[in-house]
Amino acid sequence: ETGVTQTPRHLVMGMTNKKSLKCEQHLGHNAMYWYKQSAKKPLELMFVYSLEERVENNSVPSRFSPECPNSSHLFLHLHTLQPEDSALYLCASSQGWGYNTEAFFGQGTRLTVV
Amino acid sequence: EDQVTQSPEALRLQEGESSSLNCSYTVSGLRGLFWYRQDPGKGPEFLFTLYSAGEEKEKERLKATLTKKESFLHITAPKPEDSATYLCAVPSHSGNTPLVFGKGTRLSVIA
Repeated sequence: ETGVTQTPRHLVMGMTNKKSLKCEQHLGHNAMYWYKQSAKKPLELMFVYSLEERVENNSVPSRFSPECPNSSHLFLHLHTLQPEDSALYLCASSQGWGYNTEAFFGQGTRLTVV
Repeated sequence: EDQVTQSPEALRLQEGESSSLNCSYTVSGLRGLFWYRQDPGKGPEFLFTLYSAGEEKEKERLKATLTKKESFLHITAPKPEDSATYLCAVPSHSGNTPLVFGKGTRLSVIA
């Protein structure tokens, strides 16, 4: 266990559905991230939250909507997704979000859009 | 643009056959290099952080080294349980942004 828990582990959703991914960290970190991992591609950063404020949004389509209600919880709200959005979605946390801090990852949510 | 390139893309070793994985980067003013291990369908697991050229870190059969242009992950006498994808990452040079990852090296160790 890394101290970062993601639910659900697997999700199948239709293109018209609305669903949410949840991430919780028990490490006392103050920065949290969403990454997308597709086959044969590097991890892609989607969003960064530091002290519950969004500090980076890497041109992610609006059908992905993050929410960080407190420093321990992070959500990714999904609506009207496309099949190409099928991927492993990873949450991570770190102590601070500067360059010298390692990130710890959750186990991921395997998302399939049908 | 920051670049992190890992090679080889895939590596197949016999149990006990030592080898090295490479991570080269083009980011200027390196401020840390991170190695992760990822098992299929799971999140990356943090292994090492290296901060300066010449630095080395070890964990069991793994040893990570760093030069000014690249890092190596040496695997000594690997076992089948070392099979995984190994990811390398560096912080982006564009401000205090998080890690830029390479595509990884998929290692298979055959008994």
